[in-house]
Amino acid sequence: QVQLQESGPGLVKASETLSVTCIVSGASTRSSSYYWDWIRQSPGKGLEWIGNVYYNGNTHYNPSLRSRVTLSLDTSKNLISLKLNSVTATDTGVYYCARHEVWLHLLDSWGQGTLVTVSS
Amino acid sequence: QSVLTQPPSVSAAPGQKVIISCSGSDSNIGNNYVSWYQQLPGKAPRYLIFDNNRRPSGIPDRFSGSKSGTSATLGITGLQTGDEADYYCGTWDSSLNVGVFGGGTKLTVL
Repeated sequence: QVQLQESGPGLVKASETLSVTCIVSGASTRSSSYYWDWIRQSPGKGLEWIGNVYYNGNTHYNPSLRSRVTLSLDTSKNLISLKLNSVTATDTGVYYCARHEVWLHLLDSWGQGTLVTVSS
Repeated sequence: QSVLTQPPSVSAAPGQKVIISCSGSDSNIGNNYVSWYQQLPGKAPRYLIFDNNRRPSGIPDRFSGSKSGTSATLGITGLQTGDEADYYCGTWDSSLNVGVFGGGTKLTVL
């Protein structure tokens, strides 16, 4: 059974860098069958796709966040990382990691999410 | 503004049926599989439908999906109060190479 668990700072100051990690258990991030995605949800709002990273390090990013976001994958640790720099209050929300089946484009396993609040 | 368009809300009485629509374009729904996600209050999303119309094990057949051209629908029959949740359609956009979601539909079971 695949499990994903996010960890985040809880609180980040405006203009600083938000860093969140996701540890995967029950599956290997070395698999070519999956991307590893990040999705966020601002309070009371819908889901926003941030980007994904593949086992070989290839990435795709949401154009609206591309200039500020970096995704990486440590396959030896089954650890996925998200860094978002120059944060503002609009970056406040719950950050989810999810496993993305490549051919079906299905997000079949999700973490429970971690709330990050950007303070001024 | 979401790439995929869903109605903000739908409602129906217990036991009744609802259909939630999701509209996109050739580059996303038109050429990729559609999934549907349910997000119960305070919880992470989980998938209900994948490959346009397939249900994973454990999802009752009250939930169904379909796709035609650049639109998809989620149907829920025999509504229960426990079905009250936000529902999202999702897929990939092959032109932009990004994941896309609908804006979400809040289901109220009156």
